[in-house]
Amino acid sequence: GESVGLHLPTLSVQEGDNSIINCAYSNSASDYFIWYKQESGKGPQFIIDIRSNMDKRQGQRVTVLLNKTVKHLSLQIAATQPGDSAVYFCAESYSGNTPLVFGKGTRLSVIA
Amino acid sequence: DVKVTQSSRYLVKRTGEKVFLECVQDMDHENMFWYRQDPGLGLRLIYFSYDVKMKEKGDIPEGYSVSREKKERFSLILESASTNQTSMYLCASKKLVNEKLFFGSGTQLSVL
Repeated sequence: GESVGLHLPTLSVQEGDNSIINCAYSNSASDYFIWYKQESGKGPQFIIDIRSNMDKRQGQRVTVLLNKTVKHLSLQIAATQPGDSAVYFCAESYSGNTPLVFGKGTRLSVIA
Repeated sequence: DVKVTQSSRYLVKRTGEKVFLECVQDMDHENMFWYRQDPGLGLRLIYFSYDVKMKEKGDIPEGYSVSREKKERFSLILESASTNQTSMYLCASKKLVNEKLFFGSGTQLSVL
């Protein structure tokens, strides 16, 4: 889940297993959600996004689930690989063009 | 592919210096953003711009200013650098209605 302290939560997953990274968002009016992956020394890269009129969206090896009732977002990565090791951020926005608000990130560590 | 280019990967400056961080994007995006990223605090929005000559304060604008004289270029200015501005600075851009943000690789600024 998202951290409110100084240390990022870490999820350790065995290579080949599925990963689930969770995010609790703050604004019930948010209508757009997005996941980013950030590898060490690089800028965040887009993974997948979802709008509030959907509750599930799938990409290549990734699925995002949105539960508006409890303001919860999750990112599922299938068959996790060493290259998936990174920090993952969720972000939300509302009213179409407001800036994204980012969570503090979760570190995914893949054990070979 | 969209390219967001930040002029420096690493920068070392002295307290009190005026610092310019440059960002250029090549996809004719209207919106541009400056974030800073600190361990455990995630990405925090400093300033953003919806179009040329326009600027809006983000969550932490104190000690910073920006310039958007051309659509493709968004500059972040530290008027008088201080040690608490040591951070990773990330520039991002997007189209007006497409909410996916594209990030640069970041500038790691150290103020001594």
